[in-house]
Amino acid sequence: GAGVSQSPSNKVTEKGKDVELRCDPISGHTALYWYRQSLGQGLEFLIYFQGNSAPDKSGLPSDRFSAERTGGSVSTLTIQRTQQEDSAVYLCASSLEGRGVETQYFGPGTRLLVL
Amino acid sequence: AQRVTQPEKLLSVFKGAPVELKCNYSYSGSPELFWYVQYSRQRLQLLLRHISRESIKGFTADLNKGETSFHLKKPFAQEEDSAMYYCAQGGSYIPTFGRGTSLIVHP
Repeated sequence: GAGVSQSPSNKVTEKGKDVELRCDPISGHTALYWYRQSLGQGLEFLIYFQGNSAPDKSGLPSDRFSAERTGGSVSTLTIQRTQQEDSAVYLCASSLEGRGVETQYFGPGTRLLVL
Repeated sequence: AQRVTQPEKLLSVFKGAPVELKCNYSYSGSPELFWYVQYSRQRLQLLLRHISRESIKGFTADLNKGETSFHLKKPFAQEEDSAMYYCAQGGSYIPTFGRGTSLIVHP
């Protein structure tokens, strides 16, 4: 079956612009995670969705970052007024039920470059 | 809060040499530990998990509760093992990842 997909694969934007990143999880996976991957910082957790529960936003670095998940499936991560330090690879992952013992399945990522 | 430490950012070895990628985790009664790998231009994927007690691509990892470690080992490294390796601790709904170790295997 299809894996996790993300779009766009690359995004170049100017400082101050807003960007939207999209994630399509594996069908049937109720848990969805967003991470930021940057050199030297590893994998930084951003936000977690589980079914219809309120998302865990504890990893969002500032109020310029927000995310939503519609219909328990597709998710969009929005970064407003982008800054150069937002440049990174944004990864989406999904898992079956969001329990800690499960394998996470990752998308290919969106590489964001803020000029 | 959970913490996963990978002390080496970069590990460079020659083909055929043994390799050990270190991972230490914060104390947890029953930790759930994973190793994920990202090869060049590929997505991050699961390599192995401790509850499976299996060897994948010649890699093994043993959970040492006394030392709170979950080091990844391979007796004879291959060039195709060159990749970024992340140790992760589950057990809560949000897994905690280490900062990653870049393994380079020279011919």
